Amino acid sequence: KNQVEQSPQSLIILEGKNCTLQCNYTVSPFSNLRWYKQDTGRGPVSLTIMTFSENTKSNGRYTATLDADTKQSSLHITASQLSDSASYICVVSSMNNNAGNMLTFGGGTRLMVKP
Amino acid sequence: DAGVIQSPRHEVTEMGQEVTLRCKPISGHNSLFWYRQTMMRGLELLIYFNNNVPIDDSGMPEDRFSAKMPNASFSTLKIQPSEPRDSAVYFCASSFDPGLVGPYEQYFGPGTRLTVT
Repeated sequence: KNQVEQSPQSLIILEGKNCTLQCNYTVSPFSNLRWYKQDTGRGPVSLTIMTFSENTKSNGRYTATLDADTKQSSLHITASQLSDSASYICVVSSMNNNAGNMLTFGGGTRLMVKP
Repeated sequence: DAGVIQSPRHEVTEMGQEVTLRCKPISGHNSLFWYRQTMMRGLELLIYFNNNVPIDDSGMPEDRFSAKMPNASFSTLKIQPSEPRDSAVYFCASSFDPGLVGPYEQYFGPGTRLTVT
């Protein structure tokens, strides 16, 4: 069964500190992995999309890593800001020969950045 | 571009009533996705269209749910009859994705918060 597990479920850090969010998956066959940021009351916004051949991708202060062998991904946030307070969702896409790709969602990590 | 537009933003209805949610994707995008998000189940993909054709509706909970995309600029998600357990935020997203959920960015709308009493 395809599954995506995120950890921790929630995290509180001080402004300016770094943090790393984890995403482990058992999705197969793998197509791509996405990290989304979702502010309260708003739709998710894409941070990174990584394919099998990519092991690091950055978007400003956000850096995602992917280890396709161990089926793990991480999202590292550098020099956190108050505006980073949000939920971060990991989504893994698997190839489905019958109907395009299938999406499996993680439960998200809720990050709170405090001044 | 105004982004993905959804209406209404909030909907409160009584159990048994029909509910229709609407979505206008970003112009030029050829894929459209309907998602549902609840505290208990997180984000779930209900159905997605590619070039106005439903590709995968395996996420649609039951026959009470139906979705249509009559043209490239409009889609509806209908619930009939609605039940309290349908209460959730429903998101529409669009992308230009020739590979059917390949590594192409999806743009989400603001969502419709549905409350069924």
